[in-house]
Amino acid sequence: KNQVEQSPQSLIILEGKNCTLQCNYTVSPFSNLRWYKQDTGRGPVSLTIMTFSENTKSNGRYTATLDADTKQSSLHITASQLSDSASYICVVSDRGSTLGRLYFGRGTQLTVWP
Amino acid sequence: EADIYQTPRYLVIGTGKKITLECSQTMGHDKMYWYQQDPGMELHLIHYSYGVNSTEKGDLSSESTVSRIRTEHFPLTLESARPSHTSQYLCASSGGLAGGPAYNEQFFGPGTRLTVL
Repeated sequence: KNQVEQSPQSLIILEGKNCTLQCNYTVSPFSNLRWYKQDTGRGPVSLTIMTFSENTKSNGRYTATLDADTKQSSLHITASQLSDSASYICVVSDRGSTLGRLYFGRGTQLTVWP
Repeated sequence: EADIYQTPRYLVIGTGKKITLECSQTMGHDKMYWYQQDPGMELHLIHYSYGVNSTEKGDLSSESTVSRIRTEHFPLTLESARPSHTSQYLCASSGGLAGGPAYNEQFFGPGTRLTVL
């Protein structure tokens, strides 16, 4: 069964600190993996996208890693800001259909305190 | 910021009412999607469309219906709302060149928070 599991479920950190969010998946055949940021009451916004051959990708203070062998990904946030408070969702796409089927994790709810 | 819009953003209605949630995109994307999301839970695909006059049901069974008469417009309708329909509804679209990096990347609207009393 294709699944995406994220940990931790929630995380509280102080402003300025770093944190790392984890994602494990069993989706096959794998196409790509995305990390989305979803602010409360808003739609998800893409942060990074990685294909099978990529193992690191950065977007400002966000750095995502991918280990396609172990089917694990992480999202590292550097020097956190209050505006980083949101849900971070790991999304994996398979290449078994023309639709580009997406499998969503439940997200990690990050809260940054001043 | 993606050019995909949803209205209304918030809706509180009584049981038995008919409602339509609007979704429009100006990116010329051929594929559009509707997701349902409850607090702290993952998004569940309830409807999708490959293009005009194409609609399919998603993984999560839903009593809602959709239509795709124009490329840019993908409304969702509930004929008779019930409290069990209370949820957040997210619309998304995808397109781009086949094989390109943006192909199949889904862009999401801001969502409609529906509450049925």
